[in-house]
Amino acid sequence: GNSVTQMEGPVTLSEEAFLTINCTYTATGYPSLFWYVQYPGEGLQLLLKATKADDKGSNKGFEATYRKETTSFHLEKGSVQVSDSAVYFCALSTGGGNKLTFGTGTQLKVEL
Amino acid sequence: NAGVMQNPRHLVRRRGQEARLRCSPMKGHSHVYWYRQLPEEGLKFMVYLQKENIIDESGMPKERFSAEFPKEGPSILRIQQVVRGDSAAYFCASSPSILRDRDSYEQYFGPGTRLTVT
Repeated sequence: GNSVTQMEGPVTLSEEAFLTINCTYTATGYPSLFWYVQYPGEGLQLLLKATKADDKGSNKGFEATYRKETTSFHLEKGSVQVSDSAVYFCALSTGGGNKLTFGTGTQLKVEL
Repeated sequence: NAGVMQNPRHLVRRRGQEARLRCSPMKGHSHVYWYRQLPEEGLKFMVYLQKENIIDESGMPKERFSAEFPKEGPSILRIQQVVRGDSAAYFCASSPSILRDRDSYEQYFGPGTRLTVT
């Protein structure tokens, strides 16, 4: 079956620090990979995605590269802001119209 | 284009009562998914529906839970005889009707319904 493993949080960083949140996956078939962000009290918003090997998804300064050889999709940002404080979920989908399988989420706290 | 709408946003039920959660997908979307987020956990898939059809209910508890997506109106997730363990955030997502390519796999999430069972 499908599964997603991401690093446990909380991750606490100072503003302008470099961020990496690790995500690895196992999947039957050829997955599409996603990062979603959840701000306190809100639903999930798609942050970025990649649909094939070596694709790089990027948005709002965040990036993640689809690495098939290491089955990974690590999230990175060069300089975090306080407003980036949220819970980040790595997820995958393996079929058209199919369900998403999520990691457990990583809480990020950015302090001044 | 309005996003995915869910209501109510907050729902309080006593043990043994019924909970009905509603989801209106984005315009033009006919695929609906329900996920449950227990406290301090990630989202778990519950059910995938298209108009008038349940496509995949592999994540639904065998008892007390049901879902529908009628030809007209919103999708409904129904929980009968709620128990404290049903307290969670329930998220609905929708995706486009025509899945031409892998870029159409994106799901758009609603704000969620937070169910509290007392």
